[in-house]
Amino acid sequence: DAGVIQSPRHEVTEMGQEVTLRCKPISGHDYLFWYRQTMMRGLELLIYFNNNVPIDDSGMPEDRFSAKMPNASFSTLKIQPSEPRDSAVYFCASTGLAGVNEQFFGPGTRLTVL
Amino acid sequence: AQSVSQHNHHVILSEAASLELGCNYSYGGTVNLFWYVQYPGQHLQLLLKYFSGDPLVKGIKGFEAEFIKSKFSFNLRKPSVQWSDTAEYFCAVSSNAGNNRKLIWGLGTSLAVNP
Repeated sequence: DAGVIQSPRHEVTEMGQEVTLRCKPISGHDYLFWYRQTMMRGLELLIYFNNNVPIDDSGMPEDRFSAKMPNASFSTLKIQPSEPRDSAVYFCASTGLAGVNEQFFGPGTRLTVL
Repeated sequence: AQSVSQHNHHVILSEAASLELGCNYSYGGTVNLFWYVQYPGQHLQLLLKYFSGDPLVKGIKGFEAEFIKSKFSFNLRKPSVQWSDTAEYFCAVSSNAGNNRKLIWGLGTSLAVNP
């Protein structure tokens, strides 16, 4: 398996622009997590899905952030409009119902909002 | 509320020194415990995990951790560190109940190993 795939790996955009981050979980995993990592706040869980349904979005910072999972193999995290304080590394992770909670992380998307 | 506390934010060691990183959690039920490592510029990777059984868990690259239930602790250890162990280390906890798959994360400990 290729592992969790994220795209793009790097994104530089200007304030006010829409940003879409993409994630493909490991095949067979039915939980998908979106995290944000910054120096100031560390690793923050934004939202997670089970069987494509959002279970907990309490970590989504504000209405500018939205996430979707239209099918078991694809999820997006959208920021509209983007702001400089959104600059961070965004990780996607997945896990399955194997009785364990080990999460497998993607390589991350480094977002810079100018 | 569930929480994870990592005592050391920054640790600097020389090669061959012994390492112990502290992790305490706050949760009343049965837990699963994890240590993840993040090498510079890379994503998080699982170092070791505890679910049940022997409280002394051995992971990759010579790391081990001991679950002490009475102390709500899961400290990470390595007898002799190498320069290549320079990384960020994260402790995480999850409930073992039902279908919960959410991990509660510590803030991380940055380890720098000098050659």
